[in-house]
Amino acid sequence: AQSVTQLDSQVPVFEEAPVELRCNYSSSVSVYLFWYVQYPNQGLQLLLKYLSGSTLVKGINGFEAEFNKSQTSFHLRKPSVHISDTAEYFCAVSDGGFGNEKLTFGTGTRLTIIP
Amino acid sequence: DAGVTQSPTHLIKTRGQQVTLRCSPKSGHDTVSWYQQALGQGPQFIFQYYEEEERQRGNFPDRFSGHQFPNYSSELNVNALLLGDSALYLCASSWRDRLNTEAFFGQGTRLTVV
Repeated sequence: AQSVTQLDSQVPVFEEAPVELRCNYSSSVSVYLFWYVQYPNQGLQLLLKYLSGSTLVKGINGFEAEFNKSQTSFHLRKPSVHISDTAEYFCAVSDGGFGNEKLTFGTGTRLTIIP
Repeated sequence: DAGVTQSPTHLIKTRGQQVTLRCSPKSGHDTVSWYQQALGQGPQFIFQYYEEEERQRGNFPDRFSGHQFPNYSSELNVNALLLGDSALYLCASSWRDRLNTEAFFGQGTRLTVV
């Protein structure tokens, strides 16, 4: 069975400061990893994904994440955050062969940007 | 190109009633998945439909059922509603047999059971 642990439920960060949102996963098979963002009263939007290849993945809005197999982690980073980054961030894992099978989500990290 | 569309956006039902939620996938997508997101939680997988059949199912009771139509749209039905069924219900669509694709999510249907 797969599981995802997001270690921080809330992360406050000053505007223009860097941020790291932590995600650890467990799976008995090869995995595909995703970060989604959810703005208030909205659905989920894909930020970035790791399916294979380079372990450093770049996504939209200046976010990037690094897949670390030995530490079973997929932490999300941004060098300088903006007010508009205030949202809920979800890490997810899939063991599907095509990367679009059942997703198992973490409980989310609420990122709050302080002006 | 319209993305994934869900209807209705909000719904209030009484305990014991039945509800039907609808989802139209992104153009060209053939697979629809449904998720339940309780307040303050991450989405939880309910089931996935492909070729009009349920292909995978999460840990949800039989009160939750679904259907996929020939045009790939889908419905989620919940019978005998409980207060605990109050949640945001998300629909996601994707191409099943294509590598390197991801699921696109709709805005969700907010269901409140009173």
